[in-house]
Amino acid sequence: GAVVSQHPSRVICKSGTSVKIECRSLDFQATTMFWYRQFPKQSLMLMATSNEGSKATYEQGVEKDKFLINHASLTLSTLTVTSAHPEDSSFYICSAREQGAFGKLFFGSGTQLSVL
Amino acid sequence: KNEVEQSPQNLTAQEGEFITINCSYSVGISALHWLQQHPGGGIVSLFMLSSGKKKHGRLIATINIQEKHSSLHITASHPRDSAVYICAAQTGANNLFFGTGTRLTVIP
Repeated sequence: GAVVSQHPSRVICKSGTSVKIECRSLDFQATTMFWYRQFPKQSLMLMATSNEGSKATYEQGVEKDKFLINHASLTLSTLTVTSAHPEDSSFYICSAREQGAFGKLFFGSGTQLSVL
Repeated sequence: KNEVEQSPQNLTAQEGEFITINCSYSVGISALHWLQQHPGGGIVSLFMLSSGKKKHGRLIATINIQEKHSSLHITASHPRDSAVYICAAQTGANNLFFGTGTRLTVIP
């Protein structure tokens, strides 16, 4: 079945550095990918919708200069957390939609970011 | 008020029990998703439905569009079913409203 691969699964970085998270659809083309953030014991919060070949659409309150999203191909979207701070520590998850507007969603395994 | 409400928040069951998790939503939906999140965070999409009922193995998902309510049932529950189950209401093509999840623990 369709799989979404997300790397790294865990990253620890120093405050002020940038961290890149990759999300790949392994056996299908994903024109749309989504990035979520999840705080402990809370549900997922959509951060942005990533469209292949165009700019991402960010949800209200999400800083686009802080969370850079690139969707350069039909199988890869990246999220870069720039100048990370401890408050950016969170669990980040991507998902990719298969075929068309109402295709099934497949989720990555998530990335636990800890900023020291 | 959240667009998606789930109940119960926590559920403990004995192995073999029949389990029901409920989801109510207040928005007009194009689809309703049930997701499973295991410890460690990985999420699996269990069902996407817009009407009626779907079944996969021991899992059954139903939806009542008029009542804006969906249920996830697990028959013959097993400890490996222990996870957080999340309901998400999709509006249009891209918007997803997530419930806060139901933490299920199945005791051997």
